[in-house]
Amino acid sequence: QSALTQPAAVSGSPGQSITISCTGTSSDVGGYNYVSWYQQHPGKAPKLMIFDVNKRPSGVSNRFSGSKSANTASLTISGLQAEDEADYYCSSHTNNSTLIYVFGTGTKVTVL
Amino acid sequence: QVQLVQSGAEVKKPGASVKVSCEASGYTFTSYYIQWVRQAPGQGIEWMGRINLNSGGTSYAQKFQGRVTMTRDTSISTAYMELSRLRSDDTAMYYCARGGGSYYSDYWGQGTLVTVSS
Repeated sequence: QSALTQPAAVSGSPGQSITISCTGTSSDVGGYNYVSWYQQHPGKAPKLMIFDVNKRPSGVSNRFSGSKSANTASLTISGLQAEDEADYYCSSHTNNSTLIYVFGTGTKVTVL
Repeated sequence: QVQLVQSGAEVKKPGASVKVSCEASGYTFTSYYIQWVRQAPGQGIEWMGRINLNSGGTSYAQKFQGRVTMTRDTSISTAYMELSRLRSDDTAMYYCARGGGSYYSDYWGQGTLVTVSS
């Protein structure tokens, strides 16, 4: 089972919006509404930002939103802020017999 | 508040085993799963498996089948992950995380660095 495909890096200026894609297959992203997104700052544990494609946990800014179309999920960060600079990982449930979850390759977000 | 506190860093020789603990607090321990993932230095996140804290039932990624064992002690609200026959490429930060309502992890431990070196 390969990891879900994400762009290695995305950048934007403060106040702009950026979108990170997460491409899988019909066995994972396309087959279930169980995509989640995690933010990870250097040296820190991941933090849940979006679950079930487009739901935000309590306490997460509404500048973060999720969506999905076919086999590709997306995370959009609007009103980009310096504190958003981090690595972002998508994850999805999968019906692959070898595992239950699969993570994305990760995207480094840089705020210019 | 929900907290997951993991055991400290470990240094192991190739071929040895390591057992990492994850003590939970702030919620009903047996009402959730605990997932284990790892992250090699500078690399992405890899799912290793999960344990149902109520039944003790486990699901492991095929890659780790035969080498990983996940257990729990409900009396002390602690989950464990043991990885055997360690190799140098097992050097990584190991995280426990609480499995949320469907398929996501809503709270994470601080991580345990396991270094495998001769």
